[in-house]
Amino acid sequence: DGGITQSPKYLFRKEGQNVTLSCEQNLNHDAMYWYRQDPGQGLRLIYYSQIVNDFQKGDIAEGYSVSREKKESFPLTVTSAQKNPTAFYLCASSSRTSGTYNEQFFGPGTRLTVL
Amino acid sequence: DAKTTQPPSMDCAEGRAANLPCNHSTISGNEYVYWYRQIHSQGPQYIIHGLKNNETNEMASLIITEDRKSSTLILPHATLRDTAVYYCIVRAGTGTASKLTFGTGTRLQVTL
Repeated sequence: DGGITQSPKYLFRKEGQNVTLSCEQNLNHDAMYWYRQDPGQGLRLIYYSQIVNDFQKGDIAEGYSVSREKKESFPLTVTSAQKNPTAFYLCASSSRTSGTYNEQFFGPGTRLTVL
Repeated sequence: DAKTTQPPSMDCAEGRAANLPCNHSTISGNEYVYWYRQIHSQGPQYIIHGLKNNETNEMASLIITEDRKSSTLILPHATLRDTAVYYCIVRAGTGTASKLTFGTGTRLQVTL
């Protein structure tokens, strides 16, 4: 089955701990994205990556870090510097055709709760 | 990217067509109209997109007015599983990966 997987579905951490959220895709997509969603709100972009070993900050990158060592993987680390980390985190990916990035497909999300 | 305006909520009887409107009066020539939906506590699901022609796929139809200032997503035979928040997004076709700007969307409730 082709798709985007995120693990775990639910994650609980103590305040002050770093935590890494996994995102894997087997769609051979070039670009990958991380969004954050708070209750009743739209999605906000944290980081995105167009190619391996390259990534750019989105609108709310402070307190987060990413890596893109492989095309299919784009893990997100929520550091202790992120002031309000409790949220629903969504990973997405998109292909590239004739120089244009196509529609984004989303994973099922990880709900992070910091206690 | 141009702003979009959608009604906050709509109801639809199961088996009937659900017509979800979206206003994007400031859309520019190279901007596409995308529709996504999000079922509670799941990731958004891509539905359809178009530039100026009407589009249809296995999930829905997208009707874009001739002036491109508004569009309608049509779910031809709504089921209870179509209950979700539907987002209309306008985004330029671009050579740079960029964000999707999700507004507050339309909460569609499909009822028996």
